[in-house]
Amino acid sequence: QSVLTQPPSASATPGQRVTISCSGSSSNIGSNYVCWYQQLPGTAPKLLIYRNNQRPSGVPDRFSGSKSGTSASLAISGLRSEDEADYYCAAWDDRLTGYVFGTGTKVTVL
Amino acid sequence: QITLKESGPTLVKPTQTLTLTCTFSGFSLSTSGVGVGWIRQPPGKALEWLALIYWDDDKRYRPSLKRRLTITKDTSKNQVFLTMTNMDPVDTATYYCAHRTEVVVVFDYWGQGTLVTVSS
Repeated sequence: QSVLTQPPSASATPGQRVTISCSGSSSNIGSNYVCWYQQLPGTAPKLLIYRNNQRPSGVPDRFSGSKSGTSASLAISGLRSEDEADYYCAAWDDRLTGYVFGTGTKVTVL
Repeated sequence: QITLKESGPTLVKPTQTLTLTCTFSGFSLSTSGVGVGWIRQPPGKALEWLALIYWDDDKRYRPSLKRRLTITKDTSKNQVFLTMTNMDPVDTATYYCAHRTEVVVVFDYWGQGTLVTVSS
């Protein structure tokens, strides 16, 4: 049972921008950093964003993260076919004293 | 270069105990702030965090599975182990181990995962 809620799907045409939301609570997103993962079919998750809006080395600046209150968002600009994947948000939860993941969003490039 | 790799049985019977091994390289689990966690993903479903062990041997478990999970480490062999008792078909999933530091706060490097099927 996921604690962070994401829309099941999102889509856009190549070159457009898509935004994915992640809704949590005061014990997770509201008081801790949020991160985002990209999971291509059949592969392990790849870290895209950490500490709300930081990109690891090698992640294109087309990917950006933001956080406000108990919600966070991932934006992908200049959408490409290779961006078609599942995306997950995650955060530490102070009440559960553990990590919680989002429900996942499948991004489709039309 | 940080790498992790999971190993263990691919098939276990209901009620049996599962033991998975995470063998890693490129970092030391005796370094302050470092941790290794386990995350699983049932087929077609979302990621689910299971357990985390820190450099100082502090441990955290998913509350709903705490009674069934044990995470341990062998720092000298660069290995972390996860034991899950009383396996059930709903525990069928790909199990990942992953590296964590205080810098990124989350899991930044992941193993390739190992699919464990629970069936009689």
